[in-house]
Amino acid sequence: EVQLVESGGGLVAAGGSLRLSCAASGFTLSSFEMNWVRQAPGKGLEWVSYIGSSGNMIYYTDSVKGRFTISRDNAKNSLYLQMHSLRVEDAAIYYCARVGARVGDGFDVWGQGTKVTVSS
Amino acid sequence: SYVLTQSPSVSVAPGETASISCGGNNIGRKSVHWYQQRPGQAPVLVINNDSGRPSGIPERFSGSNSGNTATLTISRVDAGDEADYYCQVWDTTTDHPRWVFGGGTELTVL
Repeated sequence: EVQLVESGGGLVAAGGSLRLSCAASGFTLSSFEMNWVRQAPGKGLEWVSYIGSSGNMIYYTDSVKGRFTISRDNAKNSLYLQMHSLRVEDAAIYYCARVGARVGDGFDVWGQGTKVTVSS
Repeated sequence: SYVLTQSPSVSVAPGETASISCGGNNIGRKSVHWYQQRPGQAPVLVINNDSGRPSGIPERFSGSNSGNTATLTISRVDAGDEADYYCQVWDTTTDHPRWVFGGGTELTVL
């Protein structure tokens, strides 16, 4: 079964750090582009970061540039999001999501999400 | 930056057809993807590349895209279709490509 499982969420004080992980199973991670998407309580989906299949291309939404770092370890079939200088407004459920196999595809596989809470 | 505009809510009676729109400047030139998100669950891709249906998505779900508006159409709506629906595009209009989501539309089945 194709699956993504996030972990690493939790409660952190503003200014603190967290590292999220996303474990892929049922497919070869190295063949797919990946993303992190977040959803604040009661709000819509917000794209956070993208990484190409080999890690050579990386993009971030403006609000996390310089604070968050996306990475991947294809040998471990894992995706990561290192988050520093966390702000109250970063509190959300964080999803990892796979881009489909064809050029221009949407996100065809999503994890169940991991919750990040930032206290002031 | 590129903006996708969705109506906050749409209501439809069971058995009727729901149309959910997504507005963006010349969105017809982009590939639009649609997601369904039921309460407490992760999003699910229901329409890929304007009108493609991923495996397992009922034929009742269809999509179109032209000009400044993309549309998700759900025919013969039932209670199980109650969810939030989001449109999405890949924006390359700046030096920093990014994925963009619309604000979401809440579909209520009356």
